[in-house]
Amino acid sequence: QIQLVQSGPELKKPGESVKISCKASGYTFTDYAMHWVKQAPGKGLKWMGWINTYTGKPTYADDFKGRFVFSLEASASTANLQISNLKNEDTATYFCAKEDNNYDWFAYWGQGTLVTVSS
Amino acid sequence: DIQMTQSPASLSASLEEIVTITCQASQDIGNWLAWYQQKPGKSPQLLIYGATSLADGVPSRFSGSRSGTQYSLKISRLQVEDIGIYYCQQASSAPLTFGSGTKLEIK
Repeated sequence: QIQLVQSGPELKKPGESVKISCKASGYTFTDYAMHWVKQAPGKGLKWMGWINTYTGKPTYADDFKGRFVFSLEASASTANLQISNLKNEDTATYFCAKEDNNYDWFAYWGQGTLVTVSS
Repeated sequence: DIQMTQSPASLSASLEEIVTITCQASQDIGNWLAWYQQKPGKSPQLLIYGATSLADGVPSRFSGSRSGTQYSLKISRLQVEDIGIYYCQQASSAPLTFGSGTKLEIK
């Protein structure tokens, strides 16, 4: 069965960096894009962008250009999200989500990783 | 960017009642729309894709419809396990955008 398992919660200080992982299983990793979605506490869902798991090319939504990096460890069927120079407003749960047969809706999601940024 | 205007923001309904949530797209997105349910502390769950298709394992009391650029999610007989927050999402063009959510409670 298809699973996306994310790394655990993180507590960071402003200015630090964090790397979140999303390990996929149950399907051929390089056949489907991986997307990232942010959910601030008590707020809605915001699409951050996606990474082509075959070529490794990332695409970022405008609000996530600059400090956010999507990367892969394809041999480990893992997608990563790195956020640098963390700000208080980066406090959120971050989800990875697998594209659904070349359509950009998501039947499979990771469990979410809570990143808390606090001094 | 395509805006998805979702209403109502919150909804309280009785068990077995019919519930309808709507999303208005700011431009034509065809059938490129999905609906999700999210329970507290959990990941969103896909309910409807392609505006009207029921996702695997989703009870048949959920249904989706489209009229032009207005999309609706209907729950035909509300059950206790249906409480949560519902989101629409357009998949027509990047950036993908979600509605602001509808919090559904039992009266």
